[in-house]
Amino acid sequence: DAGITQSPRHKVTETGTPVTLRCHQTENHRYMYWYRQDPGHGLRLIHYSYGVKDTDKGEVSDGYSVSRSKTEDFLLTLESATSSQTSVYFCAISEGGRGGTEAFFGQGTRLTVV
Amino acid sequence: AQSVAQPEDQVNVAEGNPLTVKCTYSVSGNPYLFWYVQYPNRGLQFLLKYITGDNLVKGSYGFEAEFNKSQTSFHLKKPSALVSDSALYFCAVRDPSDMNYGGSQGNLIFGKGTKLSVKP
Repeated sequence: DAGITQSPRHKVTETGTPVTLRCHQTENHRYMYWYRQDPGHGLRLIHYSYGVKDTDKGEVSDGYSVSRSKTEDFLLTLESATSSQTSVYFCAISEGGRGGTEAFFGQGTRLTVV
Repeated sequence: AQSVAQPEDQVNVAEGNPLTVKCTYSVSGNPYLFWYVQYPNRGLQFLLKYITGDNLVKGSYGFEAEFNKSQTSFHLKKPSALVSDSALYFCAVRDPSDMNYGGSQGNLIFGKGTKLSVKP
């Protein structure tokens, strides 16, 4: 899976608690992304990063924040988890730049908010 | 705004028969198009992409896709399906006119996915 590690792979948390998911890459790619996958919605972009400390919102960013202090790490934080954030979260990386560059995905984190 | 549609939630095919998974797109410029496959409990794996040039693109595992500009389609095909092809398939588009803050040509927008089931 292209040198991408997501942790944890599974997590159950309670409503209202903060949760942080980590994505670590060994490819030195500039762009990193967080997507969520839900039945009937496919993959939707939450946030992306185009460099250290450079991030921007995606389609479904409400309730989420991100940070990238190093090229290799991209953290996704659910500030106060809600049941609607129960989902499978995928990190992706790409070299970026030209639009024909494909993205590579991690194995996902299954998050359940109870 | 760019978008991509996969009109079929599920496609059922008998092993050995040809398969087609449909994808249509909407962008303002010339699109970059991608197909990904997802096996159970795994991440998405890149299959193939169209950037420019030949309308028939060949990819991994014997898959190919045909770009049709007039029909704004990018259907995934395989001449002879295998049971092991059973998976979830995603089409994605990137609009080169949609520049993001990083200076790259837009972010990938995914369809909702099509479940392919190949029966022996």
